[in-house]
Amino acid sequence: DAGITQSPRHKVTETGTPVTLRCHQTENHRYMYWYRQDPGHGLRLIHYSYGVKDTDKGEVSDGYSVSRSKTEDFLLTLESATSSQTSVYFCAISPPQGSGYTFGSGTRLTVV
Amino acid sequence: GDSVTQMEGPVTLSEEAFLTINCTYTATGYPSLFWYVQYPGEGLQLLLKATKADDKGSNKGFEATYRKETTSFHLEKGSVQVSDSAVYFCALSEASGGSYIPTFGRGTSLIVHP
Repeated sequence: DAGITQSPRHKVTETGTPVTLRCHQTENHRYMYWYRQDPGHGLRLIHYSYGVKDTDKGEVSDGYSVSRSKTEDFLLTLESATSSQTSVYFCAISPPQGSGYTFGSGTRLTVV
Repeated sequence: GDSVTQMEGPVTLSEEAFLTINCTYTATGYPSLFWYVQYPGEGLQLLLKATKADDKGSNKGFEATYRKETTSFHLEKGSVQVSDSAVYFCALSEASGGSYIPTFGRGTSLIVHP
């Protein structure tokens, strides 16, 4: 979507390696979110940020960390990738009032 | 906590049929309600929203009415097209500790045949 980009779009990595996914926005929105999408589970929140250096955990945060040093960038790191983290990862942004969420195009991550 | 329940899919229809996808929610306060659509290989896109009871959201022939008394936000379209084939997500958002964290349903796949 315009205003939010994710990179990379696809990645294959080996078990035990660290992986960082990037979300970049040009909308100057305060809130940014990382979700994973898996068959049968829908969207599950990993972490979110409500400002620079302000982050909090979602429902499936184990094995993941995030950082936000600038308003426009929100990084998701898998400390030591496992096969259970094979998924499609989506970043989303929203203004403070929660009036709607804009999603990126996703990153398909495969851990082998 | 908040939750959203959608009818399980897939929903399979012929072109020009009437569509209903049910969505009910549980929330502690007065949430905003949303429908998102996801086409294959893409992210979710906002389809429509409603911010208070009895509001009707509409877009591209789809509509949904915020029913507080039945805690529902069912998605409807009078005549579906093949191009409507996608996964549809119902979601809510309300303030919690000063933050707005959305809660999504599990999604309902719609398949429309010519």
